[in-house]
Amino acid sequence: GAGVSQSPSNKVTEKGKDVELRCDPISGHTALYWYRQRLGQGLEFLIYFQGNSAPDKSGLPSDRFSAERTGESVSTLTIQRTQQEDSAVYLCASSLEAENIQYFGAGTRLSVL
Amino acid sequence: QKEVEQNSGPLSVPEGAIASLNCTYSDRGSQSFFWYRQYSGKSPELIMSIYSNGDKEDGRFTAQLNKASQYVSLLIRDSQPSDSATYLCAVNQMDSSYKLIFGSGTRLLVRP
Repeated sequence: GAGVSQSPSNKVTEKGKDVELRCDPISGHTALYWYRQRLGQGLEFLIYFQGNSAPDKSGLPSDRFSAERTGESVSTLTIQRTQQEDSAVYLCASSLEAENIQYFGAGTRLSVL
Repeated sequence: QKEVEQNSGPLSVPEGAIASLNCTYSDRGSQSFFWYRQYSGKSPELIMSIYSNGDKEDGRFTAQLNKASQYVSLLIRDSQPSDSATYLCAVNQMDSSYKLIFGSGTRLLVRP
């Protein structure tokens, strides 16, 4: 079956612009996660969805970051007024249930100029 | 601050040798431990999961867990050049089973 799909694969934007990153999880997976990976670093947890609800948003770096999930499927991560320090790879993962193994998408590489 | 520590490497081993990757974690209550492999520019791919003390073997890979000492390791036998990648250790938090804390990864180079 299809894996986790993310789009776009690459995004270049100017400082101050808003960006939207999309994630299509594996069909039937109820849990969805967003991570950020800076160059040469590990993955930094951003937010977790169970269904369409986000019980844990503790990893969002600032109020410029938000995310939503609809139809217990697609999720969108929005970064408003992008800053250069937002440049990173944004990875989405999904799992069958919250405690199960997480499967990752290929990520979106965001470059803020 | 709950942490997962890994040596960044690179760890260089000759083809056919055993590669040993180590990881320590600070949250004593952690229950689930994972090793992901990440090729440059690609997404992390699950290699092994381990939940109990001791060894778990899968093909050329063996995960070892010691909760008392708070470390988890990954052994790769008969290393191949295709094993060259960054290996990420991930540990769940006791108070939130879904949240994984990742180490920064160890880069492995297998020399032909």
